Amino acid sequence: NAGVTQTPKFQVLKTGQSMTLQCAQDMNHNSMYWYRQDPGMGLRLIYYSASEGTTDKGEVPNGYNVSRLNKREFSLRLESAAPSQTSVYFCASSFLGYEQYFGPGTRLTVT
Amino acid sequence: AQKITQTQPGMFVQEKEAVTLDCTYDTSDPSYGLFWYKQPSSGEMIFLIYQGSYDQQNATEGRYSLNFQKARKSANLVISASQLGDSAMYFCAMRERGFGNEKLTFGTGTRLTIIP
Repeated sequence: NAGVTQTPKFQVLKTGQSMTLQCAQDMNHNSMYWYRQDPGMGLRLIYYSASEGTTDKGEVPNGYNVSRLNKREFSLRLESAAPSQTSVYFCASSFLGYEQYFGPGTRLTVT
Repeated sequence: AQKITQTQPGMFVQEKEAVTLDCTYDTSDPSYGLFWYKQPSSGEMIFLIYQGSYDQQNATEGRYSLNFQKARKSANLVISASQLGDSAMYFCAMRERGFGNEKLTFGTGTRLTIIP
């Protein structure tokens, strides 16, 4: 039982490059989330998916897209990376509104 | 207005002492949930404790308890008999509008350092 897994763990991009962050959970949770964590800002919600086939914007969605591929997988795409997107990205999942379980995070640097 | 406020950016506490981490929240919804998470230096987010707005008793989980004062809109985390392994960032978070709403709002966190 791996919980929530994220790939990659680290990534360096040049401005304008694109990439997809992958997330998978094996807890049969219906809800999945993407957050970013910046120093002094706590975690901010980028997008979430309450169930397979649905996605919704969070607090900071600009510059990102998401895909809920199936119940297990929820990916986050940066189409044209900017230095302001340098951050640590966390994926999480939960059953309804109960506690969220987090992946280990992806440290992204955009130069 | 901030929905979750953690006013202590950093705290230093002697090992074996109890520690209280402050969290105040702002919501007009009658149904909400409050969560505490721990983030050690390794970076992972670990769920500690949950309190629902309609729960009559304060939540407890081992050495963790939540001092829930609804009228004051505060949900302080109390760690009893602190240990060196408790050194970490601690985040308070809130879910509004009951279980149909999935979004959590996080505070900016408190960095707790336990001194041997």
